Amino acid sequence: GAVVSQHPSRVICKSGTSVKIECRSLDFQATTMFWYRQFPKQSLMLMATSNEGSKATYEQGVEKDKFLINHASLTLSTLTVTSAHPEDSSFYICSARGGGQESPLHFGNGTRLTVT
Amino acid sequence: KQEVTQIPAALSVPEGENLVLNCSFTDSAIYNLQWFRQDPGKGLTSLLLIQSSQREQTSGRLNASLDKSSGRSTLYIAASQPGDSATYLCAVKANNAGNNRKLIWGLGTSLAVNP
Repeated sequence: GAVVSQHPSRVICKSGTSVKIECRSLDFQATTMFWYRQFPKQSLMLMATSNEGSKATYEQGVEKDKFLINHASLTLSTLTVTSAHPEDSSFYICSARGGGQESPLHFGNGTRLTVT
Repeated sequence: KQEVTQIPAALSVPEGENLVLNCSFTDSAIYNLQWFRQDPGKGLTSLLLIQSSQREQTSGRLNASLDKSSGRSTLYIAASQPGDSATYLCAVKANNAGNNRKLIWGLGTSLAVNP
């Protein structure tokens, strides 16, 4: 089956630093990738949608200058949390879709970010 | 505005039981509906995807049904096993125009299957 690899699985950083999270589709070409944030006992909150080679589309309330998304190839998208603050601590999950709207989403295992 | 509700929020059953998880949505104009499984601290695994024109999908011990007119979907798990313990999420894809129809998520049902 389709595999999405997300790295790192856990990261602890100091306030004010930047953190990059990678999301790779290992055995398929991901035309569209999605980045989600999940708070404890909450469902997923879509942050942004990225299509390969174009700028990401951010959801309302998500700061694009704080959460930089790059989808430079059909197998890699990155999310960079810039100038991280403790309130950015959360579980970040990426997902990828290899085909059209009718295709299922495949998810990475998530990244637990803790900002101290 | 589409809203997705999952009931119950948590469920604990003994091993071997057949069980049903419920998902309801307020707007019947959906593109598709998908059931996912999430293990603690992990990402999501897609279980079943039902297109708006379909009534059900089956995979192994799992069966998902869709009734658009009543705004409901059920996930049936037969002969439950401890390994089925996880959070089950229902997500509805809106039928809005454009290339990136959004997924609307339920809060999930946390299932514990006790040996």
